[in-house]
Amino acid sequence: ETGVTQTPRHLVMGMTNKKSLKCEQHLGHNAMYWYKQSAKKPLELMFVYSLEERVENNSVPSRFSPECPNSSHLFLHLHTLQPEDSALYLCASSQVVLGDTEAFFGQGTRLTVV
Amino acid sequence: EDQVTQSPEALRLQEGESSSLNCSYTVSGLRGLFWYRQDPGKGPEFLFTLYSAGEEKEKERLKATLTKKESFLHITAPKPEDSATYLCAVQGNAGNMLTFGGGTRLMVKP
Repeated sequence: ETGVTQTPRHLVMGMTNKKSLKCEQHLGHNAMYWYKQSAKKPLELMFVYSLEERVENNSVPSRFSPECPNSSHLFLHLHTLQPEDSALYLCASSQVVLGDTEAFFGQGTRLTVV
Repeated sequence: EDQVTQSPEALRLQEGESSSLNCSYTVSGLRGLFWYRQDPGKGPEFLFTLYSAGEEKEKERLKATLTKKESFLHITAPKPEDSATYLCAVQGNAGNMLTFGGGTRLMVKP
């Protein structure tokens, strides 16, 4: 148990479906992140919510929409995905203070788009 | 733009055969270099943070070192349970984001 919980662990969805991934952190951190991990590629940062301010990777398609209602919860809303979006989606959290910024990850959601 | 390159991509060792994994990086003002371990189908597990050249940290059979251009993860007398993918990441002055390398997949045979 890392203190970061993601649900569901596995998700299969069609290209016309709408689904959401959920992440909850129990570490008292003030920053949360979504990463995408595809086969044989480095982890790719998608979105950051830090001190309630959103920072995003401009290359992320609009079919991915994040939501961070408070510092403990993070969602990733998915709609009209493509098969190439199949990947492991990882949530992470960290405490944004000077010199103490290691991120702790959840177990991930394995997404398959059919 | 921050960049991280890990080598080798894959490493096969016999149990007890010590070796090192390399992480080369370029970053605009290093705030931290991080090592993670990732088992198949799971999220990365935090191992170490290094902040400045010359710093070293140890945990069981693992020892991480840092220079101004690279970091090494030394594995002493590895065991099969050390088999995993080891990820290196850097954080620069541009923000809180981590830039990850592609990882080294370590396989330790009994």
